[in-house]
Amino acid sequence: AAGVIQSPRHLIKEKRETATLKCYPIPRHDTVYWYQQGPGQDPQFLISFYEKMQSDKGSIPDRFSAQQFSDYHSELNMSSLELGDSALYFCASSSQGYTEAFFGQGTRLTVV
Amino acid sequence: AQSVTQLDSHVSVSEGTPVLLRCNYSSSYSPSLFWYVQHPNKGLQLLLKYTSAATLVKGINGFEAEFKKSETSFHLTKPSAHMSDAAEYFCVVPSRVNDMRFGAGTRLTVKP
Repeated sequence: AAGVIQSPRHLIKEKRETATLKCYPIPRHDTVYWYQQGPGQDPQFLISFYEKMQSDKGSIPDRFSAQQFSDYHSELNMSSLELGDSALYFCASSSQGYTEAFFGQGTRLTVV
Repeated sequence: AQSVTQLDSHVSVSEGTPVLLRCNYSSSYSPSLFWYVQHPNKGLQLLLKYTSAATLVKGINGFEAEFKKSETSFHLTKPSAHMSDAAEYFCVVPSRVNDMRFGAGTRLTVKP
């Protein structure tokens, strides 16, 4: 069965650079979530999209932006990267709100 | 707003003994609740979900959880632990429109 695909799996960037993370949801899923998981931390909700519109916003820094495209894939754009942005970034998708979310393998971002 | 509290940050059991991972929720109504598992350097995998059908929910890998409204609990159990069960476990509740709220996580260690 198709799962949530995230790319790249690993990314190394220098401080003040930009990064773009991509997420391809499970087919026919209309909701995408982004989470940030720091070392030893629980996942923190960043932002979500439903039917290509931003539906909810969590603790996403102003330096980050995201969007969901017409094919439902989503991209998380991160600018002016800081060392503290080093984390595992998960994307999840679901069909309609309040059903279970299926998570991708995550993108491990390391800022040096 | 909905939230969850995982009562133990770390649980250690011996192989073959029962597992109990505790989760209490806070909600103004009967919520949906999920348990996710995260193995080291892996993505989050859904173990089981409660969506107001049956209060005793069976999941994958022999895990089950019982929704108790009177106690606002959704504890995760397994009769006999395997070494492969060693992982981080998250109790999750949907909050607001499209936002999955994670508990702080419980790290399960299984001793031989």
